[in-house]
Amino acid sequence: GEKVEQHQSTLSVREGDSAVINCTYTDTASSYFPWYKQEAGKSLHFVIDIRSNVDRKQSQRLTVLLDKKAKRFSLHITATQPEDSAIYFCAASIRSGSWQLIFGSGTQLTVMP
Amino acid sequence: EAAVTQSPRNKVTVTGGNVTLSCRQTNSHNYMYWYRQDTGHGLRLIHYSYGAGNLQIGDVPDGYKATRTTQEDFFLLLELASPSQTSLYFCASSPGLGVQDTQYFGPGTRLLVL
Repeated sequence: GEKVEQHQSTLSVREGDSAVINCTYTDTASSYFPWYKQEAGKSLHFVIDIRSNVDRKQSQRLTVLLDKKAKRFSLHITATQPEDSAIYFCAASIRSGSWQLIFGSGTQLTVMP
Repeated sequence: EAAVTQSPRNKVTVTGGNVTLSCRQTNSHNYMYWYRQDTGHGLRLIHYSYGAGNLQIGDVPDGYKATRTTQEDFFLLLELASPSQTSLYFCASSPGLGVQDTQYFGPGTRLLVL
């Protein structure tokens, strides 16, 4: 079946540095790529998304890049802060009968003071 | 901010037991989803619905039934619970574009099957 792979299970950075989380996907028809954040012991909430008609989207300190040829997308966080520490999940839309979101396995980002 | 609530928040049952997880959203969203979260697997879609009376099968439906009784309420049923169904369950909802729109997640239900 179609997959979304998140290659880093953990990532540690120093406060103020940048963090990059990478994902790949297999379905060439995927057109929607959201990112969700899960803080310790909490639920998930949406942080940013990108659609396949663009290759870059920025929202404050977050930027998502999409490389459709390589079937790869990434989340870039600049000027990291301790409150950025969380698990980040990437996801991609796939067509399996009807449309579904497939999530990656998550990356635990730790921002060290 | 979209509001999605789940009950119970924690549940313990025995193998073969009958469990119902409840989800309610109060934002008139059409789409509702049930996921399970397990370490190393991220979130996996169990069932989803795009309206009252509608049900769609997700990636890991075996052992689960679901029912959408109203636009607000979506239930997940485990009729013969097994230890492999021990997990953290999330309900989510999204507006008109369905999966191609922001999903709003509930707080989760932690289920332990002994």
